[in-house]
Amino acid sequence: DQQVKQNSPSLSVQEGRISILNCDYTNSMFDYFLWYKKYPAEGPTFLISISSIKDKNEDGRFTVFLNKSAKHLSLHIVPSQPGDSAVYFCAAYSGAGSYQLTFGKGTKLSVIP
Amino acid sequence: GEEVAQTPKHLVRGEGQKAKLYCAPIKGHSYVFWYQQVLKNEFKFLISFQNENVFDETGMPKERFSAKCLPNSPCSLEIQATKLEDSAVYFCASSPGTVNSPLHFGNGTRLTVT
Repeated sequence: DQQVKQNSPSLSVQEGRISILNCDYTNSMFDYFLWYKKYPAEGPTFLISISSIKDKNEDGRFTVFLNKSAKHLSLHIVPSQPGDSAVYFCAAYSGAGSYQLTFGKGTKLSVIP
Repeated sequence: GEEVAQTPKHLVRGEGQKAKLYCAPIKGHSYVFWYQQVLKNEFKFLISFQNENVFDETGMPKERFSAKCLPNSPCSLEIQATKLEDSAVYFCASSPGTVNSPLHFGNGTRLTVT
């Protein structure tokens, strides 16, 4: 059973517009969430994270929002740039010192020039 | 080094052959993780190490898969008697081990079993 779900396999956005990538989770023990970006033939690279005690974290063009009651988080990219085209993975830590990240299946973002 | 280095980039093995993958973590990182990514983009956790000790092996198949992290050597993931279903990209990641620290991933080894 998937504990981290990214229900949109793909998303296309015009350059300059906002990209919104969504992620839902089922495990109440998750207390820290991360977004990774992955280009083809490369490993995932860390983008931004958020603790469950916060509802928003911002870093430049990237903002992550967490709605703990809905078990939902989203990544906003604004303005979107062609270089943002990649697969974005949502991931979560369950705390308790496991250090094991649980990943979603990813959303492929295409930013159209 | 400043990056997680995985070798080889590509590995082709006939069914039943052995496959061995290597990973050099970022210097100073005490935790190493192995993940398997199959076709549908899902990352499956295999095993983690704290220095040379197994930390969490709950994702490791009981048969055919083994892993080691020995002092002064790259970590390794070995698959004995490979099967077609082992075809995947295997990612290694490392972290300093502080709570909630992001994992730093290598570029993966693509294993193709024919």
